[in-house]
Amino acid sequence: AQRVTQPEKLLSVFKGAPVELKCNYSYSGSPELFWYVQYSRQRLQLLLRHISRESIKGFTADLNKGETSFHLKKPFAQEEDSAMYYCARGSGYSTLTFGKGTMLLVSP
Amino acid sequence: DAGVIQSPRHEVTEMGQEVTLRCKPISGHNSLFWYRQTMMRGLELLIYFNNNVPIDDSGMPEDRFSAKMPNASFSTLKIQPSEPRDSAVYFCASTLGLRGDEQFFGPGTRLTVL
Repeated sequence: AQRVTQPEKLLSVFKGAPVELKCNYSYSGSPELFWYVQYSRQRLQLLLRHISRESIKGFTADLNKGETSFHLKKPFAQEEDSAMYYCARGSGYSTLTFGKGTMLLVSP
Repeated sequence: DAGVIQSPRHEVTEMGQEVTLRCKPISGHNSLFWYRQTMMRGLELLIYFNNNVPIDDSGMPEDRFSAKMPNASFSTLKIQPSEPRDSAVYFCASTLGLRGDEQFFGPGTRLTVL
């Protein structure tokens, strides 16, 4: 079965500090990996996907097949980054397997 | 487009009652997903449909749960009878159905079973 592991339930940092949200996935072929974000009182929405190799709101994520990881990083956290972050892996058709999520709290 | 629409937004019911959650996907999307979100288990896929046909319902926890998609613009998730452990936020999402597509989520229904 596909598995996505986010080892941290909560990550608390100060504004301006670097952030790394960890994500590991079970190996199987060529994975499609995503980060979704849920801000307070908003819908869950796509943040970025590995095939795009883009930076969104200052966040980047690099797929490391050797370590089966897709960690989300941002060099300088902002208060508005506080949210719930879910790592997800594509699983056939267009389905997704989500990790349990990491709550990021950025304090002033 | 208003995005994925779910109703009701909040539901409080008593154990043993039937609960029906509703979802309207984005027009033109042909895949629809039902998820359950809890603190303990995170976001779990319950069932998904492609072109109104249930493809995989292996995530449905028990026979008390059932889902239907009678047409391309409407789906229901029913729990009968409901139990306190069913309390969670239930999300519906839709997508065009191509591999790697972005899933668009509804606002969720917060269910509390007393």
